[in-house]
Amino acid sequence: AQSVTQLDSQVPVFEEAPVELRCNYSSSVSVYLFWYVQYPNQGLQLLLKYLSGSTLVKGINGFEAEFNKSQTSFHLRKPSVHISDTAEYFCAVTLKGSNYKLTFGKGTLLTVNP
Amino acid sequence: NAGVTQTPKFQVLKTGQSMTLQCAQDMNHEYMSWYRQDPGMGLRLIHYSVGAGITDQGEVPNGYNVSRSTTEDFPLRLLSAAPSQTSVYFCASSYSGAVPNYEQYFGPGTRLTVT
Repeated sequence: AQSVTQLDSQVPVFEEAPVELRCNYSSSVSVYLFWYVQYPNQGLQLLLKYLSGSTLVKGINGFEAEFNKSQTSFHLRKPSVHISDTAEYFCAVTLKGSNYKLTFGKGTLLTVNP
Repeated sequence: NAGVTQTPKFQVLKTGQSMTLQCAQDMNHEYMSWYRQDPGMGLRLIHYSVGAGITDQGEVPNGYNVSRSTTEDFPLRLLSAAPSQTSVYFCASSYSGAVPNYEQYFGPGTRLTVT
């Protein structure tokens, strides 16, 4: 079975600073990887996904993530954050051919302070 | 398109009561699923469906039933509510056709409190 570990439950940063949210996964077979964002009192929205091809994936709102197969990681980065990026971020994985079942990490709360 | 809709937005139940959480999507997606979100736990899969008439259990199915009679609707039934089912419930759908994109579209959630 696959699992996802988000290494930080909370990440406070100042506005315009860079940020990295860390995600590691474990799986014995090939996976697809995702980052979702949840703004307060809302549902989840896809930020970006890795299915195949280039290991550097660009998403919405200036976020990007890099798939590292040897490290089994999929860290999310943004070079300069805004107050509006304050939200909870979830890393998720699905096994190729698994009927789309997502396994989520426990989430990282990103708080951007002025 | 309305996307994925869920009703109700909020619900309070007493222990032992039953209810149905409604989920509908208008994107003609074959795959639909239900998750529950608890603080510090992320989202956990309750049940899912790969098409009308086909459902299967996820990670935490106990105490919940589902059915899928149409492509559009995927209701979640709580048979006898327990305080441990206090949570926020999300429904999601995904296109699983010839060229799937694997993106799941989430509804706005139902916040359920069981007293």
